[in-house]
Amino acid sequence: EAGVTQSPTHLIKTRGQQATLRCSPISGHTSVYWYQQALGLGLQFLLWYDEGEERNRGNFPPRFSGRQFPNYSSELNVNALELEDSALYLCASSLGGRQGVWTDTQYFGPGTRLTVL
Amino acid sequence: AQSVTQPDIHITVSEGASLELRCNYSYGATPYLFWYVQSPGQGLQLLLKYFSGDTLVQGIKGFEAEFKRSQSSFNLRKPSVHWSDAAEYFCAVDPLNYGGSQGNLIFGKGTKLSVKP
Repeated sequence: EAGVTQSPTHLIKTRGQQATLRCSPISGHTSVYWYQQALGLGLQFLLWYDEGEERNRGNFPPRFSGRQFPNYSSELNVNALELEDSALYLCASSLGGRQGVWTDTQYFGPGTRLTVL
Repeated sequence: AQSVTQPDIHITVSEGASLELRCNYSYGATPYLFWYVQSPGQGLQLLLKYFSGDTLVQGIKGFEAEFKRSQSSFNLRKPSVHWSDAAEYFCAVDPLNYGGSQGNLIFGKGTKLSVKP
């Protein structure tokens, strides 16, 4: 069974540009989560999507946004990139509301390394 | 404030020796508890989880963890470490705010494990 996949593996942008990161969940999972792992800051929760809706958001500015598509894949967009946005962005998936599960184990993908120059 | 503490930033053990990684949390109620492992440049792999029931939990790769409510701890153990266990280990908590998951795992800062031959 394929795990969570993320693309691209690496992304290099310059300050002020926009970045788009993509995530495909494990087959059968409907919830997708995004986390940022920045040096010195650890792993921080960004966003949770389930059934196409944003269910929760971490303490990040509005220029971090995303969406979930009908096939449950997800996209994270970061606008007006700043140097401190350089980090590993991890996507996770789990069973979700469609399966009647609102609390379940999150399985993580390999991440996208975003570098902002 | 809600937090997860991994007091050891870096631990070195000899191959074949036993291992215990500490994790403490501060939440009002019993949260859901997880241990993940991350190899350099990789995503997170789930080792084990505790939702309820038996407080001694078995995981993959020979790891186990024990939930101690009185100490608000969830320490990870392995009786005999292998060189391939060298990685960074993260304790995570789903705080179950408002009686249910809000999707936001809270992670400790991680413990880096080095294994001596």
